[in-house]
Amino acid sequence: GAVVSQHPSRVICKSGTSVKIECRSLDFQATTMFWYRQFPKQSLMLMATSNEGSKATYEQGVEKDKFLINHASLTLSTLTVTSAHPEDSSFYICSARDDFGSGTRLTVV
Amino acid sequence: GENVEQHPSTLSVQEGDSAVIKCTYSDSASNYFPWYKQELGKRPQLIIDIRSNVGEKKDQRIAVTLNKTAKHFSLHITETQPEDSAVYFCAASIYTGTASKLTFGTGTRLQVTL
Repeated sequence: GAVVSQHPSRVICKSGTSVKIECRSLDFQATTMFWYRQFPKQSLMLMATSNEGSKATYEQGVEKDKFLINHASLTLSTLTVTSAHPEDSSFYICSARDDFGSGTRLTVV
Repeated sequence: GENVEQHPSTLSVQEGDSAVIKCTYSDSASNYFPWYKQELGKRPQLIIDIRSNVGEKKDQRIAVTLNKTAKHFSLHITETQPEDSAVYFCAASIYTGTASKLTFGTGTRLQVTL
């Protein structure tokens, strides 16, 4: 089946800094990837759809300038949390072809 | 947009008993319904899925049923084992052939006790 790799698995950053998360499809080309956010003991909420070669499609309520998505190749999508604040602390997880990456636990201090 | 509701939020069963988790969806255009198992701190893992042209699908101890008319689908786990303990999520989407924008249910925490 599809294999999706995500890095880093954990990151702690200072408030006001930016963090980049990478999502790679390892054995297939993904023209579309999805980014989700999951708070503790809650469900996965779709943030945006990452489209190779074009702009991402953001869900209602998700700030596109806050969560920058770049899908420059058929195997890589990146999510950058800009000017992170403690309320951005969460578990971020990508998916492609219904398989998920291992997730990134972001803690902003 | 799609709205998926899932019940119960927590479920405790004894080892060997069956567990049933139910979900409803709102968008009649949805045609793909996967179920995921998520252990603490780990990625969701696809355990079974069903498409709208099928009413039931079974894989060993796991089965899923779909009622398109009523817009609900259910996960059935038989002969539960302690390693079945996890959070289970249902989801619904309109499958395009290559990618699915999933709307998830709120999750069910299953605890299998000895």
